[in-house]
Amino acid sequence: GAGVSQSPSNKVTEKGKDVELRCDPISGHTALYWYRQSLGQGLEFLIYFQGNSAPDKSGLPSDRFSAERTGGSVSTLTIQRTQQEDSAVYLCASSLGPEKFGEQFFGPGTRLTVL
Amino acid sequence: AQKVTQAQTEISVVEKEDVTLDCVYETRDTTYYLFWYKQPPSGELVFLIRRNSFDEQNEISGRYSWNFQKSTSSFNFTITASQVVDSAVYFCGVIQGAQKLVFGQGTRLTINP
Repeated sequence: GAGVSQSPSNKVTEKGKDVELRCDPISGHTALYWYRQSLGQGLEFLIYFQGNSAPDKSGLPSDRFSAERTGGSVSTLTIQRTQQEDSAVYLCASSLGPEKFGEQFFGPGTRLTVL
Repeated sequence: AQKVTQAQTEISVVEKEDVTLDCVYETRDTTYYLFWYKQPPSGELVFLIRRNSFDEQNEISGRYSWNFQKSTSSFNFTITASQVVDSAVYFCGVIQGAQKLVFGQGTRLTINP
């Protein structure tokens, strides 16, 4: 009965480096979401996947941010050329799909610190 | 675009008191959905409720109740006989486009023994 898992739990990187954050959704959940939580901005939606396609990427802050999902399961959020303002907790969530919209199961998050 | 305001940044009460967390939303949609999530100290957000705009009946689940008032665009959350384990940050929000959660800034609730 595993929940949503994310790795790493913490990531410290230097400004300008690329980072990859991973999310393993609950088995059978077709929808997957990425959010960012920071003190200044609160909880912000980044991107939503239904299966392997991303119908809504509207929350990605810049073209340095990208995400993919393969096999309808694991997702990776990549941040290129990290900046200090990228420091935040990155949360992943999954849900059964459109019929259960709004009820999302969240992972513990990855705390990203950009020095 | 939707907007959600949780005016109470922090609330602190003594155990067993009742406490109400306010939530005011803005949306241009005629049909919309609202939600509440809880974020305990462990950090993982936990779904509490989803409510559609058609249904203005109050909802009760144990010590938790929700009051949806369309006329004032509010969706308030009350905890009756609060307990220390209720201490958490509570987020309300609006579901945009049937999938995207638009969160308020959250209310940090502290229940003191």
